[in-house]
Amino acid sequence: ETGVTQSPTHLIKTRGQQVTLRCSSQSGHNTVSWYQQALGQGPQFIFQYYREEENGRGNFPPRFSGLQFPNYSSELNVNALELDDSALYLCASSGRGTPGNTIYFGEGSWLTVV
Amino acid sequence: AQKITQTQPGMFVQEKEAVTLDCTYDTSDPSYGLFWYKQPSSGEMIFLIYQGSYDQQNATEGRYSLNFQKARKSANLVISASQLGDSAMYFCAMREGPFYGGSQGNLIFGKGTKLSVKP
Repeated sequence: ETGVTQSPTHLIKTRGQQVTLRCSSQSGHNTVSWYQQALGQGPQFIFQYYREEENGRGNFPPRFSGLQFPNYSSELNVNALELDDSALYLCASSGRGTPGNTIYFGEGSWLTVV
Repeated sequence: AQKITQTQPGMFVQEKEAVTLDCTYDTSDPSYGLFWYKQPSSGEMIFLIYQGSYDQQNATEGRYSLNFQKARKSANLVISASQLGDSAMYFCAMREGPFYGGSQGNLIFGKGTKLSVKP
């Protein structure tokens, strides 16, 4: 049990639609990151939020956007969905007090775009 | 060039035996961290063990230990006394740069090794 919860766990969307995925980070963790994991691959870093601001981004287009709220929970929004956006989306949180700011992941949201 | 290389797409091990999963990394940053995660078919990425680049001792967590050879840039995961529940994908990951509050940094993952434990 990592204390990182994500919703929804599974969803199906149509190409061109928009989707919002949610993440509640572990208590006391003020940094949240999002990762995309395509089938058979390792996760790829999308972006990171700290104190409600984006402070790191991977190689993803602007239609991938996010928010972090004062309670450190976070949202990932994807506009104009494409078939290649079908993947497992993982939220990760970290904070002080753990070795190397150990990063804990949630169970993920499985997104299928048809 | 790949920053994290896991050369074993799949591994088999007999229950109760030990197994080593290989991981090599590439970085020019003197400060970095290495992580191993377990991912069952459910999808959750479960943290197993962490090794910092300046740590003098190899990390251990219960049945998991990390064989850290800095000069060879390898960070192999050793699982002792394998159990059926250890069957899963295993990912090695690296974070580069110094760590400070607010800098979770991005993890760079390898392609993973699928471990199957035989009864």
